[in-house]
Amino acid sequence: QKEVEQNSGPLSVPEGAIASLNCTYSDRVSQSFFWYRQYSGKSPELIMSIYSNGDKEDGRFTAQLNKASQYVSLLIRDSQPSDSATYLCAASTYFGNEKLTFGTGTRLTIIP
Amino acid sequence: GAVVSQHPSRVICKSGTSVKIECRSLDFQATTMFWYRQFPKKSLMLMATSNEGSKATYEQGVEKDKFLINHASLTLSTLTVTSAHPEDSSFYICSVPDFVGRYNEQFFGPGTRLTVL
Repeated sequence: QKEVEQNSGPLSVPEGAIASLNCTYSDRVSQSFFWYRQYSGKSPELIMSIYSNGDKEDGRFTAQLNKASQYVSLLIRDSQPSDSATYLCAASTYFGNEKLTFGTGTRLTIIP
Repeated sequence: GAVVSQHPSRVICKSGTSVKIECRSLDFQATTMFWYRQFPKKSLMLMATSNEGSKATYEQGVEKDKFLINHASLTLSTLTVTSAHPEDSSFYICSVPDFVGRYNEQFFGPGTRLTVL
């Protein structure tokens, strides 16, 4: 059974610091990985996707993928109070219309 | 990415009634849409894959006769919760996969919060 695991937190980070979120997956054939941000009472919003080993940067966000270790991470630099949310890690096996397997999410709180 | 709408955003109904939720892809023709359910403080659980022009594919443990899915067109999928009970109260969210570059990314609708009294 495919599994995606995250530390549920809560993770508290001071404003301006780097928040580090981690995720591991069990299915070695997983190809695509995604980070979604979900504010309380809202639906998930895609913030990063990564498909190749290494780092991918987009603004204050950096996603890191290590397929050998089956590990995905998300770094948020210069954390802002508006980054306070639950972050969901998801994995997909194929590049086509394959369903996503979600982790349980990590709740992040940025402390002003 | 795809822009997705859902209607209604919130519904309260009595036990035993049926509720229909619409999911629309506003700028993208989607042959596939996904339906998820999320209970408070829990992660998203995939309920079913909605396929345009054919039957939906349900995940293990999801009652297909209770959660009826109709993918009537390339822009509309509906989820009907039949004979709803309080345990069906949840946040229902649909998503649309959209190719971005070489890869497929899923974009979520705003969700429908169902409360069954």
